[in-house]
Amino acid sequence: GAVVSQHPSRVICKSGTSVKIECRSLDFQATTMFWYRQFPKKSLMLMATSNEGSKATYEQGVEKDKFLINHASLTLSTLTVTSAHPEDSSFYICSARLAGDLREGEQYFGPGTRLTVT
Amino acid sequence: RKEVEQDPGPFNVPEGATVAFNCTYSNSASQSFFWYRQDCRKEPKLLMSVYSSGNEDGRFTAQLNRASQYISLLIRDSKLSDSATYLCVVKKTGFQKLVFGTGTRLLVSP
Repeated sequence: GAVVSQHPSRVICKSGTSVKIECRSLDFQATTMFWYRQFPKKSLMLMATSNEGSKATYEQGVEKDKFLINHASLTLSTLTVTSAHPEDSSFYICSARLAGDLREGEQYFGPGTRLTVT
Repeated sequence: RKEVEQDPGPFNVPEGATVAFNCTYSNSASQSFFWYRQDCRKEPKLLMSVYSSGNEDGRFTAQLNRASQYISLLIRDSKLSDSATYLCVVKKTGFQKLVFGTGTRLLVSP
């Protein structure tokens, strides 16, 4: 099946610094990538939908200036958490849809990035 | 009210047992339904889609009741490897966004 990678898998940073997370589709082109956040024992919450070559669409309540998303190519999207605070500590997961994939709901998830802000 | 609701569990069952999970959704415009599986500290993986007529994949059976806005997942002959969190997911036609429930945790013991 399609493979999505994320880097780094785990990161610890100090409050006030910025962290960049990469999401790559390894063996397919993804016109659309999604960024989710999951707090312990909570459901995945969609943060934003990222389309290649255009601005990301953010969900209500997600600060676009704090969570910068760039989808510069069909295989790479990045999420930058700017001026991170301890409450940003979470599990960040990306997913991707195959270009032209008509199968409803078929999203391939990356392994996630666990962010801890101290 | 949450858009997708699930009993968080955990459901503790012995190997070989049959277990059923339920899920309700609030948005009647939801058109596509799925069960995903998520292991601890891992990413979700698609288990199966849920079709109006009900569908089966090996030991797993999914059913949809649109009138009651209710989805179910039945696991027969539970294995230790079935221990995971099962996420109910819905999607509206024409939208790319998936809406996840909080998940139901299953623990299968020897």
